[in-house]
Amino acid sequence: EIVLTQSPGTLSLSPGESATLSCRASQTLSNNNNYLAWYQQKPGQAPRLLISGASSRATGIPDRFSGSGSGTDFTLTIRRLEPEDFAVYYCQQYGTSPPWTFGQGTKVEIK
Amino acid sequence: QVQLVQSGAEVKKPGASVKVSCKASGYTFNSYDINWVRQAPGQGLEWMGWMNPNNDYTNTGPLQKFQGRITMTRDTSISTVYIELSNLRPEDTAVYYCARGNRVYATGHDSLPLDYWGQGTLVTVSS
Repeated sequence: EIVLTQSPGTLSLSPGESATLSCRASQTLSNNNNYLAWYQQKPGQAPRLLISGASSRATGIPDRFSGSGSGTDFTLTIRRLEPEDFAVYYCQQYGTSPPWTFGQGTKVEIK
Repeated sequence: QVQLVQSGAEVKKPGASVKVSCKASGYTFNSYDINWVRQAPGQGLEWMGWMNPNNDYTNTGPLQKFQGRITMTRDTSISTVYIELSNLRPEDTAVYYCARGNRVYATGHDSLPLDYWGQGTLVTVSS
């Protein structure tokens, strides 16, 4: 089973600042296809897909969200945080080998 | 538009079973896997398994985490997938989500993330 470790656990920032979230995999994702996704979840809501393939924004996702990385190390960057961006973010690997594991989440909270 | 609509909240006693439904619309039902993900109160997301509605194939990962307690089925006539969890324990209390995953073809699939999610179904297990 591929284990995804996210850091930090909580990020305290102010609107307008940038956020950098990390996701590290316990083994290289399959054939360097980088089947790594990022999701945003707000209280009481289902997760929303932000990024797939490590760096491709999903439909309708603002360009202040960007993903990068390959192999075992991946990053989600949120530029100029808006009030609606304060939420919990999860990474997930989905194409290497099941189970499609999630990281434990990073909470981005208002400072 | 793509929608996944799940059945309502359930309260069950330990040892009982629960069956949650997920009705798909807005796309060709047989063309995408449906995954199940759960989230215990205050906790993170836990992937449970997927079903290919085209051929009934299911996968819950190699570790048998749920020890054979999961059954996934589908009714193509109403574009609905079901997950049944048996021998419920208090630690199964969670919100259960269905989510669309891989695009499937007759001879293979495209690996895709979970792009559309149901609204979630709260299952409470308590004596």
